[in-house]
Amino acid sequence: EAGVVQSPRYKIIEKKQPVAFWCNPISGHNTLYWYLQNLGQGPELLIRYENEEAVDDSQLPKDRFSAERLKGVDSTLKIQPAELGDSAVYLCASSSGGAAFNEQFFGPGTRLTVL
Amino acid sequence: AQSVTQLGSHVSVSEGALVLLRCNYSSSVPPYLFWYVQYPNQGLQLLLKYTSAATLVKGINGFEAEFKKSETSFHLTKPSAHMSDAAEYFCAVSGPDSSYKLIFGSGTRLLVRP
Repeated sequence: EAGVVQSPRYKIIEKKQPVAFWCNPISGHNTLYWYLQNLGQGPELLIRYENEEAVDDSQLPKDRFSAERLKGVDSTLKIQPAELGDSAVYLCASSSGGAAFNEQFFGPGTRLTVL
Repeated sequence: AQSVTQLGSHVSVSEGALVLLRCNYSSSVPPYLFWYVQYPNQGLQLLLKYTSAATLVKGINGFEAEFKKSETSFHLTKPSAHMSDAAEYFCAVSGPDSSYKLIFGSGTRLLVRP
């Protein structure tokens, strides 16, 4: 069974440029999460989707961040414009349901460097 | 609000020695608790989870953790460390206090000496 796929794995951009990250969850998983992981820290939730609906985006900085999950499968996270402080690893995860006890399966992440 | 504290950002043990990684949580009600492991350049992988059944939880790769409500702890242990155990370990909590979001600790890096 294929795991959560993310691309690109690494991205280097200059500040004020736009950037987008793509995630393909495990087949059949209707719940999808985007996390931000700063160096030396644990992941922090940015947004959670149940199918195509964003059910928790309270931690997403909406002035520059946006996300979509068209057709309830793949998802894209965008930053425009990027700032120096956005340098981090962006993790995507999926689960078979949104219940708190469900295991979340994580992708390898996209490491973003903003110069 | 729920939170997780992992004592020790780095823990170093000899191969074959006991592994003990500490995790304390704060929650107004017994929460769900998780331990995840992250190998370099990889995503997080679930080691084990506590969901209010048995207080001693056994996970993959010989790891186990014990939920102690009186101490608000969920420490991770393994009797004998292997070189392949070297990784970053994250404790996480979820429950009504966090609107059932997964709240992670800051992680503990386990180093295994030959």
